[in-house]
Amino acid sequence: GEDVEQSLFLSVREGDSSVINCTYTDSSSTYLYWYKQEPGAGLQLLTYIFSNMDMKQDQRLTVLLNKKDKHLSLRIADTQTGDSAIYFCAESLRGSTLGRLYFGRGTQLTVWP
Amino acid sequence: DTGVSQNPRHKITKRGQNVTFRCDPISEHNRLYWYRQTLGQGPEFLTYFQNEAQLEKSRLLSDRFSAERPKGSFSTLEIQRTEQGDSAMYLCASRLGDTELGYTFGSGTRLTVV
Repeated sequence: GEDVEQSLFLSVREGDSSVINCTYTDSSSTYLYWYKQEPGAGLQLLTYIFSNMDMKQDQRLTVLLNKKDKHLSLRIADTQTGDSAIYFCAESLRGSTLGRLYFGRGTQLTVWP
Repeated sequence: DTGVSQNPRHKITKRGQNVTFRCDPISEHNRLYWYRQTLGQGPEFLTYFQNEAQLEKSRLLSDRFSAERPKGSFSTLEIQRTEQGDSAMYLCASRLGDTELGYTFGSGTRLTVV
């Protein structure tokens, strides 16, 4: 549960789709999450997926989970400048402290007008 | 309900001084967590309370760190004899019961040790 990896930077043009990727190593994940952090702010839960699901869609957000490859992705459709932030992938583990989350280093998304 | 509140927002202190941060969780949330986030990193778990009981502490929490939640409501995190390596954002989160989804973070306290 301590190896959650993300690419560090992503730049896209406004209106394009963004895809942020994450890999994890612990197969005992229960839930996987995407959090958003704007400058100087705390973490905002964007979406989550239970480990027995493959896909979840929530308005402009689509989460894909490939359990075989331990790969999670977040797709943001029609990306806007207000989506510029750091996005963290996180997991909670079966048998771990209840509610404890393991985070990646975050992906800095920059959206150009 | 104004969410999870943390004070102060920013703290600058000289090396060797003691500092204390406060977290006020959402009032009905019985579970409270502290995380530390250093520059360029994701948050790392420090400690967890269920009501007033401190149930787990990370190995990151050296003996200079102590956390309390005396009445199961607000929590404090104290760092004694601060070091430059303690400079970080300290995040508090709370949630109600066993739901995986009711996890709310505060805006954090940014500590700078000079």
